[in-house]
Amino acid sequence: AQKITQTQPGMFVQEKEAVTLDCTYDTSDPSYGLFWYKQPSSGEMIFLIYQGSYDQQNATEGRYSLNFQKARKSANLVISASQLGDSAMYFCAMILIQGAQKLVFGQGTRLTINP
Amino acid sequence: GAGVSQSPRYKVAKRGQDVALRCDPISGHVSLFWYQQALGQGPEFLTYFQNEAQLDKSGLPSDRFFAERPEGSVSTLKIQRTQQEDSAVYLCASSSQSGTGLINEKLFFGSGTQLSVL
Repeated sequence: AQKITQTQPGMFVQEKEAVTLDCTYDTSDPSYGLFWYKQPSSGEMIFLIYQGSYDQQNATEGRYSLNFQKARKSANLVISASQLGDSAMYFCAMILIQGAQKLVFGQGTRLTINP
Repeated sequence: GAGVSQSPRYKVAKRGQDVALRCDPISGHVSLFWYQQALGQGPEFLTYFQNEAQLDKSGLPSDRFFAERPEGSVSTLKIQRTQQEDSAVYLCASSSQSGTGLINEKLFFGSGTQLSVL
């Protein structure tokens, strides 16, 4: 079984500041993938970034980077130079390579960017 | 199509009514997932199709929930005798990959169907 924990229900950040959204995961499987998705008020889930359990380097996608600390089982999302359009729900998710191939989501963090 | 399309966008049902929610995945995508998202929560897995085969239905909360994908493209999630606890957003997602290929492949999500049971 796998579990994702996001401990920050809400975050408030000033525009142009960097923000870190926390995510910890729990699995005994050595092979897994970690994802971050953004969900604006429109409802659809938008893919942001991916990290594989065997990837040696932290993933980066534009202003998004994933701070992957395997020993601590954490996969925090870092957004640099936040923008007003970054205000949304953010979900961390994990998929295992063994067993059922399904994405398991955390509870989410609501990020609000203040002007 | 250009993206995953779900219909209707909103559905209001009286308790006890049957509802059918439709998902049009991206053309050619073999994998299709249904998720249920309660207000303020993360999406919860319901069921998974690889083409027309329903490989995992472990997340369906009761036998009132039924999903099908008869021709391996469009999928329908049916809820019989709806209850108030069924009120949620139902998200559909698709992927060009299947099986272990899903591990590093993003899912494409639709905008969901918001179901309200009165």
